[in-house]
Amino acid sequence: DIVMTQSPDSLAVSLGERATINCKSSQSVLYSSNNKSYLAWYQQKPGQPPKLLIYWASTRQSGVPDRFSGSGSGTDFTLTISSLQAEDVAVYYCQQYYNTPFTFGPGTKVDIK
Amino acid sequence: QVQLVQSGDEVKKPGASVKVSCKASGDTFTSYAIHWVRQAPGQRLEWMGWINGGNGDTKYSQKFQDRVTITGDTSAYTAHMELSSLTSEDTAVYYCATSGADGNWLDPWGQGTLITVSS
Repeated sequence: DIVMTQSPDSLAVSLGERATINCKSSQSVLYSSNNKSYLAWYQQKPGQPPKLLIYWASTRQSGVPDRFSGSGSGTDFTLTISSLQAEDVAVYYCQQYYNTPFTFGPGTKVDIK
Repeated sequence: QVQLVQSGDEVKKPGASVKVSCKASGDTFTSYAIHWVRQAPGQRLEWMGWINGGNGDTKYSQKFQDRVTITGDTSAYTAHMELSSLTSEDTAVYYCATSGADGNWLDPWGQGTLITVSS
C-alpha cells in the first residue's frame, strides 16, 4: 500500500497570512503515460464530510476559491492557502488515487493564530 | 450534480453485521463509481472499497476483503455496504462518495453514517 504522510500535524496562521501543508507519498503517484500525479486534497470541517479542493495535484475543483492552490509531482506535494480566512479553519487531507487501496494522509489541522 | 444521501446512524453488538445504504439522486447512477470510506474517532480516512455503478464490478481493500460486501441497485440508484463480524474497532463514521470516469478523486460525499459497536 502507498503510505501518505503530511506535515505539519497542525498549524496556526494569522488571518490573511499564508498556510502551507506538505504531503509525501511512499512511492511515486505520477503516471508516466499522461504525466499526471494522482493526488487530491480535501478539506473537512467538524461534523461534515470531506470536501474536494484539488485533484491531479494542482487542478482546483469548480467553486473552490482561488486562494487554494496545489503543487508538486511524483512523491512531494503542497497545498497552499494564500490568504487564510476564518472559514478555512479545518483539517486538510491528501489522498492518492494512483492505485488501490486508495490511501489518505493523517490530516493537518489549520487554526487561526 | 449527483447528491448522496445515506441511511441513519446505528448501534450494533459485537459480532453483528451492519448494512449502510447510499442513495444517489440528481444524475445517472450508472455513470459513477461509489466508494466507501470510513473514519474512526481520531483516525485518518480509510478507503474500504468501491463498486462500478455501470457494470457492478467491485474491489475491496485487502484489510476488509473478508468482511465487507458492496452491492448496487441501479433501479433504485442505491449502493449498499455491509460489514460483518463487527468489533469495537469498527466504530466509525462511514461515508459513501462518488468518482467519475476521469479519475478516482472523491466528489461528492454522503453526509456520513455513524456506526457504534458496543455491548
